[in-house]
Amino acid sequence: NAGVTQTPKFRILKIGQSMTLQCTQDMNHNYMYWYRQDPGMGLKLIYYSVGAGITDKGEVPNGYNVSRSTTEDFPLRLELAAPSQTSVYFCASSYSTGQGIGGYTFGSGTRLTVV
Amino acid sequence: GQQLNQSPQSMFIQEGEDVSMNCTSSSIFNTWLWYKQEPGEGPVLLIALYKAGELTSNGRLTAQFGITRKDSFLNISASIPSDVGIYFCAGYIIQGAQKLVFGQGTRLTINP
Repeated sequence: NAGVTQTPKFRILKIGQSMTLQCTQDMNHNYMYWYRQDPGMGLKLIYYSVGAGITDKGEVPNGYNVSRSTTEDFPLRLELAAPSQTSVYFCASSYSTGQGIGGYTFGSGTRLTVV
Repeated sequence: GQQLNQSPQSMFIQEGEDVSMNCTSSSIFNTWLWYKQEPGEGPVLLIALYKAGELTSNGRLTAQFGITRKDSFLNISASIPSDVGIYFCAGYIIQGAQKLVFGQGTRLTINP
């Protein structure tokens, strides 16, 4: 069982370049999320999705876009990379339980450097 | 936005010592979660708490959901070297329950 898979693991971008961070999960979770983690800091929510075709902004959405065409995939798009987007990006997924939302399952992260 | 205040930010202890960390918020949470993150990896769920007053153990780890719903603590007993990492609390607020809010993390270092 792969869980949540993120690619690539590392990437260096030049200012102004664009890229897509891939995330896929095989647990049939309906909820998916993108977080960024800056050095020494906690996780900040960028975008999230409660199901295929539905996305919404989190705490720090500026400079990013997402789509959710399938239950499994939730790619994160950076259109014009800026040094402030240097961070580690985590994708996560979760499911609904009788008590509410279950704990998240995280991917292993994508370390992005913008120079 | 919602904030969780986690303390301490870092801990340096001797192997075998007990560890205690906590999270507080000005908002009421209906779920508290505790995660551990090791270098180069994503956070991994340790304990989930769903009811005020709930006390739950997972091996040497014990966590409690505060009665006021605004706080939670995590204890680690008899620490071992593999406990090293960053521990995060996280919670769902009563409204808009799909999004987790994370604390700033507690970095645990253990001297053998």
